[in-house]
Amino acid sequence: QVQLVQSGAEVKKPGASVKVSCTASGYTLTDYYIHWVRQTPGQGFEWMGIVPPSGGSRSVAQQFQGRLTMTRDTSTNTVYMDLSSLRFDDTAIYYCARAPRWYFDLWGRGTLVTVSS
Amino acid sequence: SYVLTQPPSVSVAPGQSARITCGGDNIGNKGVHWYQQKSGQAPVLVVFLDSDRPSGIPERFSGSNSGNTATLTISRVEAGDEAAYYCQVWDTASDQGVFGGGTKLTVL
Repeated sequence: QVQLVQSGAEVKKPGASVKVSCTASGYTLTDYYIHWVRQTPGQGFEWMGIVPPSGGSRSVAQQFQGRLTMTRDTSTNTVYMDLSSLRFDDTAIYYCARAPRWYFDLWGRGTLVTVSS
Repeated sequence: SYVLTQPPSVSVAPGQSARITCGGDNIGNKGVHWYQQKSGQAPVLVVFLDSDRPSGIPERFSGSNSGNTATLTISRVEAGDEAAYYCQVWDTASDQGVFGGGTKLTVL
């Protein structure tokens, strides 16, 4: 079955970092782009960044530059999203999404990250 | 940055057609993609590149894009179509994805 399996919910304190994994099943990770998108009640969907099939230069949205790191492990078909210096308004559902290029044809189920003191 | 504007809500009776708009500056020059998100679930792509449908999406879902408005049309609306619908484009100027604020479709 073709799917993206994400890691479980996290609760973090302000200033901490969170790492979310996204494992591709049923297809080869290196055949598609992987994007990270988050959803908050107040801001709706926010595009965060992209990992190209080559695994090369990774584009990050301006508002996350300096805080967002995306990596991948082709041996496990897994992509990781690491967001540092967490703030209360980083509380959101974080999705990975597969993309032939600029649209998302397969989404993970989402990972809830709660930032709370 | 590029802004996409959607009406917050649309209501339609079963069997009628629902039209959900997505406004943006010269959006007709961009590829527009639409996602359906039911409560508590991840989004699902229903239309891509203005008017193409992924496999498994009913023909009742169609899209168009011209000028400053893109439109998702759902024909013969069913109760199961009740969801939030989001438009999305790739903004080449900022090299990032942009989403509309979403439209909640209510089936009366």
